[in-house]
Amino acid sequence: DTAVSQTPKYLVTQMGNDKSIKCEQNLGHDTMYWYKQDSKKFLKIMFSYNNKELIINETVPNRFSPKSPDKAHLNLHINSLELGDSAVYFCASSPSTGGKSPNYGYTFGSGTRLTVV
Amino acid sequence: AQKITQTQPGMFVQEKEAVTLDCTYDTSDQSYGLFWYKQPSSGEMIFLIYQGSYDEQNATEGRYSLNFQKARKSANLVISASQLGDSAMYFCAMREGWGSGGYQKVTFGTGTKLQVIP
Repeated sequence: DTAVSQTPKYLVTQMGNDKSIKCEQNLGHDTMYWYKQDSKKFLKIMFSYNNKELIINETVPNRFSPKSPDKAHLNLHINSLELGDSAVYFCASSPSTGGKSPNYGYTFGSGTRLTVV
Repeated sequence: AQKITQTQPGMFVQEKEAVTLDCTYDTSDQSYGLFWYKQPSSGEMIFLIYQGSYDEQNATEGRYSLNFQKARKSANLVISASQLGDSAMYFCAMREGWGSGGYQKVTFGTGTKLQVIP
């Protein structure tokens, strides 16, 4: 069973289109995230949800809209795609903070490689 | 100012030797966590090791150990007995904003590309 699954794995689309990336986790985690990894491998947080509530909303164009129907799902919708949106998008999840855990990191999905042409 | 600094964009190591990947961090939080992740060429992000700011012992996970020097704000990853499969990008990361509401923000460094030579 995949802990954090993202679909699709690859997405090639034309400029101006609207697309969505889906993410689901079966770990029972309360918090989910979207990260963008650019061509230089730099990872930058975009959004975070805790129990369906938006808690982190970094400076991201409003063409990007996250949606969390329940705490196991966090989808990313992108309107009017631009060439600069080409990147790998990672979904991740983690337990809520509070208390120590030896494995208190994120669990990442396998990433979605988005190519805008 | 950079929150996480990895000064080595690329490193080479001979198979079976040990290698240290450098990471320094900057935070005013008293409670924070430090992580290392591995990203092989296949692209997935693999959690390697975690160190809490209040942990007195350096974290170890198999061949990975984290050399935590709190006063110097450094959290170097040591990989012992390197294997060819260790060739990958390695990211240092820090979690801040430890709160009761599930808030946490993890910032990643720019990564170090490690190549293990046979």
